[in-house]
Amino acid sequence: ILNVEQSPQSLHVQEGDSTNFTCSFPSSNFYALHWYRWETAKSPEALFVMTLNGDEKKKGRISATLNTKEGYSYLYIKGSQPEDSATYLCAFMGDYKLSFGAGTTVTVRA
Amino acid sequence: DAGVIQSPRHEVTEMGQEVTLRCKPISGHDYLFWYRQTMMRGLELLIYFNNNVPIDDSGMPEDRFSAKMPNASFSTLKIQPSEPRDSAVYFCASSFGQFSTFGSGTRLTVV
Repeated sequence: ILNVEQSPQSLHVQEGDSTNFTCSFPSSNFYALHWYRWETAKSPEALFVMTLNGDEKKKGRISATLNTKEGYSYLYIKGSQPEDSATYLCAFMGDYKLSFGAGTTVTVRA
Repeated sequence: DAGVIQSPRHEVTEMGQEVTLRCKPISGHDYLFWYRQTMMRGLELLIYFNNNVPIDDSGMPEDRFSAKMPNASFSTLKIQPSEPRDSAVYFCASSFGQFSTFGSGTRLTVV
């Protein structure tokens, strides 16, 4: 089992504020890092797939960065909105194995 | 496209019974994944196929679990015999390239 950790486990954000959280993964045998957004009672939705050190991806108000040498990725939400409330999962793919973190649950308060 | 289709949506079965979960991937996708989600362990990859061939089944918890993909448009995950600790939501996902599309999941309850 590959050790993929996400922190914090949960966070509460005031509407309009920006926030970020972390995914840590093994720095060896890196192939790709996936971010998913998972709303309650729905299927996980793919946000980003990141493969290169220094990658930065953006989708609307959500963006992500990747550091494969030190084994972490940040996900940023700018100007949080209530619809951003969800659990954000990262998944590390390396050595033909895919391992998920436990997720960061974001609650945006109006 | 209707997306990844899983059936049934909900399954309640008695301990010891055989359970078969079904998945129809998106046409043209060459990878198919089976995941299990539990409160204790979060989302776990059980097995994945590439072009109908199992590539990595190291996530399959034990011999009671088996998965098949007889053709590009259908896969099954079977649990025989089922146990209460198998109760979870089982997701199927398919992909072509880097992004996976998940099905709606099957909620399995073993009593």
